[in-house]
Amino acid sequence: GENVEQHPSTLSVQEGDSAVIKCTYSDSASNYFPWYKQELGKRPQLIIDIRSNVGEKKDQRIAVTLNKTAKHFSLHITETQPEDSAVYFCAAPAYSGAGSYQLTFGKGTKLSVIP
Amino acid sequence: EAGVTQFPSHSVIEKGQTVTLRCDPISGHDNLYWYRRVMGKEIKFLLHFVKESKQDESGMPNNRFLAERTGGTYSTLKVQPAELEDSGVYFCASSQLPVNTEAFFGQGTRLTVV
Repeated sequence: GENVEQHPSTLSVQEGDSAVIKCTYSDSASNYFPWYKQELGKRPQLIIDIRSNVGEKKDQRIAVTLNKTAKHFSLHITETQPEDSAVYFCAAPAYSGAGSYQLTFGKGTKLSVIP
Repeated sequence: EAGVTQFPSHSVIEKGQTVTLRCDPISGHDNLYWYRRVMGKEIKFLLHFVKESKQDESGMPNNRFLAERTGGTYSTLKVQPAELEDSGVYFCASSQLPVNTEAFFGQGTRLTVV
């Protein structure tokens, strides 16, 4: 099965600085890597995802990079703002047989942006 | 478009009691997933429905957990009898396709077993 490791578990940055969260995965067949953001008391929401046919994807202040050879992918947030404070989860799909895939999540990174 | 809804949002029950959680997926989403997050740990997979069929229930902790999805619409997750270690936040998610596509999460049910 898939094993996803996420680091760091907590991250504090000054407003305006950049934040980087890294994840590694074990299943070389995985080809879809989403990032979810969960604000306090709210549901996890997809903020960006990347498929294995590209190495980088950007959406305004958020970017994700993927290194399939090394089996790791990273979330980059630039010009951080207080509203970026949340728990961020990376995930990778795990094939569990009989045509079923399910997401395996990292343990989450609690990002705090200090005004 | 209505999102994934879960009920109740919070539940506090005594050890040994029964609790039933409900999830209404986004209309038209055949794939429905249950996940659980225990305090401070990762979101862990419990099971996957495709329509009314259990595609994968390998993440269910034990036989005290029973999930159903009658008619392929809403799903229920029953815990009977509840134990202290069952406490956590139970998330439901749904998607149109089973792989490589966005999964939409509900707001979760916070279950506390005392």
